[in-house]
Amino acid sequence: QSVLTQPPSASGTPGQRVSISCSGDNSNIGKNLVCWYQQLPGMAPRLLIFRNNQRPSGVADRFSGSKSGTSASLAISGLRSEDEAVYYCAAWDDNLSGPMFGGGTKLTVL
Amino acid sequence: QVRLVQSGPEVKNPGASVRVSCKASGFSFPSFGFIWVRQAPGQGPEWMGWISASSHATSYARRFQGRVTMTTDTSTSTAFMDLSSLTSDDTGVYFCARASLTVRPDDAFDIWGQGTEVTVSS
Repeated sequence: QSVLTQPPSASGTPGQRVSISCSGDNSNIGKNLVCWYQQLPGMAPRLLIFRNNQRPSGVADRFSGSKSGTSASLAISGLRSEDEAVYYCAAWDDNLSGPMFGGGTKLTVL
Repeated sequence: QVRLVQSGPEVKNPGASVRVSCKASGFSFPSFGFIWVRQAPGQGPEWMGWISASSHATSYARRFQGRVTMTTDTSTSTAFMDLSSLTSDDTGVYFCARASLTVRPDDAFDIWGQGTEVTVSS
């Protein structure tokens, strides 16, 4: 279903910096803004990044977002055990006429 | 406290309909829109549609059109999602989330309900 492609998994050790990619096309990421959401097990998604690189109040500055062309990335620095979660990218898709979510990347903190 | 509280889990037979509610508190309900998202087991969220709390304007994803109806009741600050002709493919967790008052490509969803598990099984 999703046309926003994310790696299924990523990992890092405490204190490391990890990056999660999200690849789309010109109907979504290429012309629209990207959001990132964090979902802990059994919980609702939580907004981490909006408008490509903006953080809502309350989100640590360890989380940062970027976009280039038809791809986007979420970087997490100073990795902590509580960062272990599934991360989803999202962007408006012109074909869907609504927001599309990526398949998710499960981040494991080793 | 700004929050969305959804109704409890549902178990339905194939062919039946389900209604999920989403009660808002801590903010001005008529000033926002709401989206509904489905998350099948092990998959990413899937946008089902959007509704304006005040104008009741809706926008549905094509794959749900004809089966989904979204409504709001401003007197109780509650949004509803009805899904009909259920099949096993509709099994999953359904979330509501706060959105903008108009459908906009730069929207971000900052407040989410806790999710409602819907199981479709005979």
